[in-house]
This record gives sequence, structure tokens and C-alpha cells, in this order.
Amino acid sequence: ILNVEQSPQSLHVQEGDSTNFTCSFPSSNFYALHWYRWETAKSPEALFVMTLNGDEKKKGRISATLNTKEGYSYLYIKGSQPEDSATYLCAPRLGSGGYQKVTFGIGTKLQVIP
Amino acid sequence: DVKVTQSSRYLVKRTGEKVFLECVQDMDHENMFWYRQDPGLGLRLIYFSYDVKMKEKGDIPEGYSVSREKKERFSLILESASTNQTSMYLCAGAGGLGEAFFGQGTRLTVV
Repeated sequence: ILNVEQSPQSLHVQEGDSTNFTCSFPSSNFYALHWYRWETAKSPEALFVMTLNGDEKKKGRISATLNTKEGYSYLYIKGSQPEDSATYLCAPRLGSGGYQKVTFGIGTKLQVIP
Repeated sequence: DVKVTQSSRYLVKRTGEKVFLECVQDMDHENMFWYRQDPGLGLRLIYFSYDVKMKEKGDIPEGYSVSREKKERFSLILESASTNQTSMYLCAGAGGLGEAFFGQGTRLTVV
């Protein structure tokens, strides 16, 4: 089982604060990395898929960067809002050939306090 | 919208029962997955399938089997349910970029 670490495991921020969290993964055989947002009582939803070293993706106030050489990705939320409260999961895909195995991190649980 | 639908939101079963969790997707994608989610452990892959009648073990296949007779349907089977299989089960199909589209989850309690 691949070692995927997300930190912190949880955090509370005030509305309007910006925040970021980390996903670390083995750097060998990298294929792609996915970020998901999982709101309570809903299904996880895909935020980003990142494939290239140095990739930066953005969706509204949320952005992500990727460093495949050192095996980490950052997720940033600018000006957090209560609706950003969710667990954010990263899922690297490692391997080559027809199928790349996906392993999910435990997630970072974000609570935005109004 | 892409849809992955799981047959039940909540299930309560007795120890030793054979349990079927059904999942249907309308994405016409080959890859489908079953995960379980437990506090502090994240999503763990039980089984996946990359084509009809094809299946591969994930990280925690013990006590489970799967069936993929049609492209759109992927079933998870607990041959003899045990209390340590009480969990949230999530089915997913994979999109063109490999991103997973999840069902709403089935919370299974084995008593």
C-alpha cells in the first residue's frame, strides 16, 4: 500500500482567511494526482487532476500546485468561506502501463468559522 | 451530469448474511471501483474492474468478492458479513482523465 500523507489532518480557519495544506506521495512512477472535495453527507467530487511537474491549477478561490520530483502537492484556498468546509482528499496515481493504481490520503478536514 | 448510483443508502445486516451492494453508472466507462471509508483510515480500495467480467484485487479484498456482468453495473459481495465490515462503502467510476465519480455511499452496519 502506497504511503500518501496529508497534513494537517484537520484545521479551523476564520472566514476570509487563506489557508493551504499538503499532500506527500512517493515520487517514483508518478502518473497523475487528483484532488477531491468531500462535503458532509455528499459524495467526493473531483477538483483537479494534475499530471506535469510544476502544474498549477485554479478553480475560483482554490488552486493547487504539483512537484513530482519531490513528491508533493499543495492545495490553497484564498479567502475561505463557510461553504469551503469539507474534507479535501488527494489521490496520486502511480505506475505505468495500462492501469495506474490510485491511493487516497486520509484527507484534510477544513472547518471555516463564520 | 454523470451519475453513479448505489442501490442503498443505509443497510443493516446480520453476521453471517450474504450481502450485495449494487452500483450502476451511466458514464460508459470501463473502470469501476469499490472503496470503504473508515475513520482515520481514509478511502481504501477493495476491488476494481477495468472491463466487463474483469476484476482486480485492491488493497483490502479479504472477505469480499465482486461481479461485473455488464459494463454499467459493478456489485460488491460480502460472502459472510462480519462486524468488522461495518463501514461506509463507496462505488466509483473513472472518467477519461482518471478522475473518480462517486456514488452517494452505502452505510452498512453488521450486527
